[in-house]
Amino acid sequence: SQTIHQWPATLVQPVGSPLSLECTVEGTSNPNLYWYRQAAGRGLQLLFYSVGIGQISSEVPQNLSASRPQDRQFILSSKKLLLSDSGFYLCAWSGYSYEQYFGPGTRLTVT
Amino acid sequence: QKEVEQDPGPLSVPEGAIVSLNCTYSNSAFQYFMWYRQYSRKGPELLMYTYSSGNKEDGRFTAQVDKSSKYISLFIRDSQPSDSATYLCASENAGGTSYGKLTFGQGTILTVHP
Repeated sequence: SQTIHQWPATLVQPVGSPLSLECTVEGTSNPNLYWYRQAAGRGLQLLFYSVGIGQISSEVPQNLSASRPQDRQFILSSKKLLLSDSGFYLCAWSGYSYEQYFGPGTRLTVT
Repeated sequence: QKEVEQDPGPLSVPEGAIVSLNCTYSNSAFQYFMWYRQYSRKGPELLMYTYSSGNKEDGRFTAQVDKSSKYISLFIRDSQPSDSATYLCASENAGGTSYGKLTFGQGTILTVHP
């Protein structure tokens, strides 16, 4: 069966510091991968998606970037965090069908 | 106008009640519809997945899609306190440049009290 991991689970970072969040998927090959952000009391906002290694599409202009160095690894990064980057970050994967499956999420607080 | 609209609630019901959760969407190209359940501080969990119009039943849960009115519903029968969570509807435009991308509603907070 497929499993999706995210780490860290929680993170508190000062404004201006760098960020690296990691997501890995097990039990599948060549998944589509997604990064979402969920602000308190709001729905999910798609940040990036990837259909293959090195292929990244950005949905919204922002302070963040994404990379996919391996087939089942997706990384979300920032060089300098802003207060507005605080939120719940979710990684998801999908296969040949259209359902997306989410990881446990990373709660980021920028202070 | 958001492509998927969902009443955020909160919705509070007694245990055993039938719960109706609803979304509307504006994009006629949407063909796949999903419902996710999200417990506090957890990732969303896929509950139901339907294609085009019609009903789909899974245990106490029934998902309904009416493409003519662009209306999506999730019914929960015999609701339990463990059903207390945020429920998110989502739609997907199969194919074209939107392949693989979901558009989510805001989520409805549901509380089932004993």
